[in-house]
Amino acid sequence: LAKTTQPISMDSYEGQEVNITCSHNNIATNDYITWYQQFPSQGPRFIIQGYKTKVTNEVASLFIPADRKSSTLSLPRVSLSDTAVYYCLVGGGRTGGFKTIFGAGTRLFVKA
Amino acid sequence: EPEVTQTPSHQVTQMGQEVILRCVPISNHLYFYWYRQILGQKVEFLVSFYNNEISEKSEIFDDQFSVERPDGSNFTLKIRSTKLEDSAMYFCASKFLGLNNYGYTFGSGTRLTVV
Repeated sequence: LAKTTQPISMDSYEGQEVNITCSHNNIATNDYITWYQQFPSQGPRFIIQGYKTKVTNEVASLFIPADRKSSTLSLPRVSLSDTAVYYCLVGGGRTGGFKTIFGAGTRLFVKA
Repeated sequence: EPEVTQTPSHQVTQMGQEVILRCVPISNHLYFYWYRQILGQKVEFLVSFYNNEISEKSEIFDDQFSVERPDGSNFTLKIRSTKLEDSAMYFCASKFLGLNNYGYTFGSGTRLTVV
């Protein structure tokens, strides 16, 4: 499983765009990149997944450069309720179903 | 939106006692998992379960742990003789594996306190 590196914490203000970058230098050809969000005392929640280029859904965008050695989660116009830990995970492939290893994640603090 | 349901939400048990944590995964999901998170620490993988057997387990998942899918809907984690260091949030997760669908759905967790 590819190891990931993320900033330990980030601060932002309401209404700003937040970009969290994750490094995964040894990503395998069939690995997908997935981001989760976790609030205190709750289970992680799937945000977005991608393989290459750009993916966008109703809550976030995911930018993946051509070499796929990093990815950036973009949260547009954050609010106080986006304060959480964000995890970048790499692995699984198209048919892999087994374990996913969580890193320490990035603690995002959104201030008023 | 379909949910993974975990019961109980909180459990307090005495050291040495057995506990069973229960999970109802999403009905058409094929892969099932248990994770735990000690307070203030990261989410740790315990075990994955597919096709009625353990497919992978971590070094944490020793002989005191076991999993079962007794009736096709429930997925349970049993800790045979609890220790103080087993105190943590335990999360169940499930996944339907299809092309471009890799996201896990996690339950809201069971907070286990061993005293």
